[in-house]
Amino acid sequence: AQSVAQPEDQVNVAEGNPLTVKCTYSVSGNPYLFWYVQYPNRGLQFLLKYITGDNLVKGSYGFEAEFNKSQTSFHLKKPSALVSDSALYFCAVRSLNSGYSTLTFGKGTMLLVSP
Amino acid sequence: DARVTQTPRDKVTEMGQEVTMRCQPILGHNTVFWYRQTMKQGLELLAYFRNRAPLDDSGMPKDRFSAEMPDATLATLKIQPSEPRDSAVYFCASGPSDYEQYFGPGTRLTVT
Repeated sequence: AQSVAQPEDQVNVAEGNPLTVKCTYSVSGNPYLFWYVQYPNRGLQFLLKYITGDNLVKGSYGFEAEFNKSQTSFHLKKPSALVSDSALYFCAVRSLNSGYSTLTFGKGTMLLVSP
Repeated sequence: DARVTQTPRDKVTEMGQEVTMRCQPILGHNTVFWYRQTMKQGLELLAYFRNRAPLDDSGMPKDRFSAEMPDATLATLKIQPSEPRDSAVYFCASGPSDYEQYFGPGTRLTVT
């Protein structure tokens, strides 16, 4: 069964510093990986995805993620954090079922950026 | 800017009452998902429709929950009877494929 793990419940970073939100995955076959962000009282918003190609994927709001097959990781990164980046971040992997696929989400990591 | 819409945004009801949540997917999307989010369990998939046909509802308590798509512009999630443990935020998402999903703003349900 496909799964993702987000080992940190919360990440704290000062504004202007680089940030990393960690995600590891377990899949059979080629992974399709995703990052979503959830702001307070809002639905999840798509940030970026990796399906194939370059290991460094660029997404919305200056975020990027690095796919590392040997470490089965897909960490989310940003060179310089903003206070407005404070939100709940979800990593997800495509899960294959019989004739269809769905997304399996991690538990989420709360990112807090301090001024 | 096409968006998934959900109604109501907030619902407070008493235990035992029927609750109906509605979702309008983005026009042209052929997949619809219902999720439930709680602090304890995180994000759980309840139901999945493709071309209005249910493909997966294994995450949904069958005795009290039901999900339907009466037409391409409306998906519904019903709880009857509701219980306090159903209190959560319920999200609808739609997409052009089963792994590209666009989420609605959610319905916050409180059952007292």
